[in-house]
Amino acid sequence: EVVLTQSPATLSLSPGERATLSCGASQSVSTNYLAWYQQKPGLAPRLLISDSSKRATGVPDRFSGSGSGTHFTLTISRLEPEDFAVYFCQQYGNSPITFGQGTRLEI
Amino acid sequence: QVQLQESGPGLVKPSETLSLTCTVSGYSISSGYYWGWIRQPPGKGLEWIGSIFHSGTTYYYPSLKSRVTMSVDTSKNQFSLKLNSVTAADTAVYYCARQWGSGDYDPWGQGILVTVSS
Repeated sequence: EVVLTQSPATLSLSPGERATLSCGASQSVSTNYLAWYQQKPGLAPRLLISDSSKRATGVPDRFSGSGSGTHFTLTISRLEPEDFAVYFCQQYGNSPITFGQGTRLEI
Repeated sequence: QVQLQESGPGLVKPSETLSLTCTVSGYSISSGYYWGWIRQPPGKGLEWIGSIFHSGTTYYYPSLKSRVTMSVDTSKNQFSLKLNSVTAADTAVYYCARQWGSGDYDPWGQGILVTVSS
């Protein structure tokens, strides 16, 4: 199965700054089928990005996804207070579906 | 809009079977999409369990395949998860979700904590 490694494990930034989160895959993700989710404490994950770079409905344009093959990036251009959460990547191009271990974005 | 709600026992004894149901509102399961189960042990990451189509076609995570059964009841607009021979390692928040595209999930239910303990 494809192992996804997210870095860093924890990212400490301030509101207004730019955040760059990485997701590395142990093998190439077919068709760049890579998604990003945001999870806040006590809540279910929320889909942000699918197919590596497509924003989900209602997701602010400060969130952007990029990458291909084995390296993918989620960028938050200017952090808002509500963006501090845990972020997971997920690949669905290779069976079985797998998730990364998460990056905690903290103030 | 589409909403999902998990239901079932919050406590299961070791070696017994965990049974959960996901009720979908705002969309007819019979109309399409795959529907999935994902779990999250306390304080840990997400693990895909499997997905099911309204026809009954299923895909399971290989390491859980021998213990998992998913089913769908289109008359009730529900789909279900059974996980047998549970251990403490199966303690987690269990989420149901719609498989939106080829494997991304949106939306998700609120999740249900299932604890395996005697």
